[in-house]
Amino acid sequence: DGGITQSPKYLFRKEGQNVTLSCEQNLNHDAMYWYRQDPGQGLRLIYYSQIVNDFQKGDIAEGYSVSREKKESFPLTVTSAQKNPTAFYLCASSMRPGPQNQPQHFGDGTRLSIL
Amino acid sequence: SQQGEEDPQALSIQEGENATMNCSYKTSINNLQWYRQNSGRGLVHLILIRSNEREKHSGRLRVTLDTSKKSSSLLITASRAADTASYFCATDPASGSARQLTFGSGTQLTVLP
Repeated sequence: DGGITQSPKYLFRKEGQNVTLSCEQNLNHDAMYWYRQDPGQGLRLIYYSQIVNDFQKGDIAEGYSVSREKKESFPLTVTSAQKNPTAFYLCASSMRPGPQNQPQHFGDGTRLSIL
Repeated sequence: SQQGEEDPQALSIQEGENATMNCSYKTSINNLQWYRQNSGRGLVHLILIRSNEREKHSGRLRVTLDTSKKSSSLLITASRAADTASYFCATDPASGSARQLTFGSGTQLTVLP
C-alpha cells in the first residue's frame, strides 16, 4: 500500500537537544510538507519542498531545519533554538503543484514533548 | 497565515442527523479542500471544489462554494458515530508569493449514538 510513514510516533526532547523526525513516502510525490499542530488549532506550515534538493520556509520555520536529499524522504530537525517545541507534527506529500495546489496525503504524525 | 476559518468550532448531534460546517476565507482562491482528522491521526482529504464550481457531492458529503461571499459549507447527511472527527477546510490562494494551502482551525464534530 502506498502512503506516508512518520516515525517515531512519540518523541521526547531534553533541554538543548536537537531531535529529528522522520518522514518517508512511497507515493512517488514530488512535493512534501511539514506542519505543526497545537491543541485545538489548525495546521501551520513549517517547511515545504517541491523537488529534490530544494526546500522553502513556511510560516513558522524558525528553530527548525529540513533536508531533501531523496524524493522519498523529508526529515525535520527540531533544534534547540525552538523554545516551544511541544506539538503534534504532521508530514504530508502531494503531486507537484501546477496552476493549483493538489490534495495532500498525510502521515499519522509525531507527538513531541519536552522532558 | 490562517485564511480559512470554520464555524462552528464544535458541533454535537445525534446519529442520523445532518451536520453542517462552514468555512469563510478572505482572498481569492483556486480551490478549496475539506479534510477530516480523527483524534491523534493525520488528516484525510475528503473533497476538492474548484473556484468555478458551486457544488460537489461524494457519498454522504455535499460541499458548496460561494465565491461572492467567500464561503464554503460541508454537509454530512445521515451522520454516524464513526463521523466523529475534526473537519478542516484548506484554501489554495489564487495569488501571493508563497501559494501554499492554508488550513483553518477546524470544527470538532461529535456524533452521539
